[in-house]
Amino acid sequence: AQSVTQLGSHVSVSEGALVLLRCNYSSSVPPYLFWYVQYPNQGLQLLLKYTTGATLVKGINGFEAEFKKSETSFHLTKPSAHMSDAAEYFCAVSVNTGGFKTIFGAGTRLFVKA
Amino acid sequence: EPEVTQTPSHQVTQMGQEVILRCVPISNHLYFYWYRQILGQKVEFLVSFYNNEISEKSEIFDDQFSVERPDGSNFTLKIRSTKLEDSAMYFCATTGTGVTGELFFGEGSRLTVL
Repeated sequence: AQSVTQLGSHVSVSEGALVLLRCNYSSSVPPYLFWYVQYPNQGLQLLLKYTTGATLVKGINGFEAEFKKSETSFHLTKPSAHMSDAAEYFCAVSVNTGGFKTIFGAGTRLFVKA
Repeated sequence: EPEVTQTPSHQVTQMGQEVILRCVPISNHLYFYWYRQILGQKVEFLVSFYNNEISEKSEIFDDQFSVERPDGSNFTLKIRSTKLEDSAMYFCATTGTGVTGELFFGEGSRLTVL
């Protein structure tokens, strides 16, 4: 079975500061890893994903994440926060069990201060 | 850009009533999912559906829940006798024919049970 742990339910940064949202996972088989973003009153949309290959993946809006198998981590970063980045971020792990089952972390709400 | 559409966007119902939430998946997608998000909480997996049958379901998805694809386009979630704790945002999601498990989400249906 797989699981996802996001460290910190709330993260607050100043505009222009580094964003770091932490995610650790467990999976009995090689996982696919995702970050999704949810803006208020909207559905989730994909930020980035890791499937195979390069462990540093780049996504939309300047976000990137690095898959570290030895640490079972997939932390999300952005060098410089923008006010529009304020949202809920979900880390997710997906495994192919004949179809895909995706499990989400509890989410981290990012606040960006002016 | 193709998208997943959900109706209704918001439904208010009395406890004990039946509710049907509808989803129109992206046309060439094969795997369909329902997720639930209670206000302020994590996104929880309910059920996955492939080839006209349930492929996996969570412990949340008890006998009060059912899914079907009655006409080859709509994908529905039925709650037979709603309870107060069913109040949540329900998201439909689909996965295409690729192998990465990336989910495409609808905007969600907010269910309020009084």
